[in-house]
Amino acid sequence: DGGITQSPKYLFRKEGQNVTLSCEQNLNHDAMYWYRQDPGQGLRLIYYSQIVNDFQKGDIAEGYSVSREKKESFPLTVTSAQKNPTAFYLCASSLAGGLGEQFFGPGTRLTVL
Amino acid sequence: RKEVEQDPGPFNVPEGATVAFNCTYSNSASQSFFWYRQDCRKEPKLLMSVYSSGNEDGRFTAQLNRASQYISLLIRDSKLSDSATYLCVVGDMEYGNKLVFGAGTILRVKS
Repeated sequence: DGGITQSPKYLFRKEGQNVTLSCEQNLNHDAMYWYRQDPGQGLRLIYYSQIVNDFQKGDIAEGYSVSREKKESFPLTVTSAQKNPTAFYLCASSLAGGLGEQFFGPGTRLTVL
Repeated sequence: RKEVEQDPGPFNVPEGATVAFNCTYSNSASQSFFWYRQDCRKEPKLLMSVYSSGNEDGRFTAQLNRASQYISLLIRDSKLSDSATYLCVVGDMEYGNKLVFGAGTILRVKS
């Protein structure tokens, strides 16, 4: 089955810890994205990558880092510098980036204790 | 001004009702338009793309009005399973060639 997987589904972090969220896709999509969703708000773009070994900051990149070493994988690290990391994190991919439709993974719900 | 604005609702409607949502966008040069559906605590899923001529998919009809910069979604014969949050999404080249998501409109269909 083709699709996007994210792990873990739930993640609990102590303050001061870095954590890494996994995102894998087998859709052969070039572009991948990370969004954050807070209650009552739209999705906000953290980072995106349109090609392997290249990525760009989105609107709220501070306190986050990413890598894109393989086409299939786009992990997101939430660092201790992120002041309010508790949120629902969604990974998405699209065939070629730009303005086409995006397809989402099931998300990771991160809670800072 | 928000780039994509939606009435947050909730819209509470009985089964079988027809309900319409509107969404406005701020950039007249926006080029692609979508409606996504998001169930509680789940990921957004593409419901339909919106084309200039309008398009229909079963009980769902989407319209685009470029002159007034709004998109609409009409749901006919509402089902309980239509209860969800509907996200309006706009592709904006001036926003770095990326998609901009509205905060969503909550629909609750009751028996």
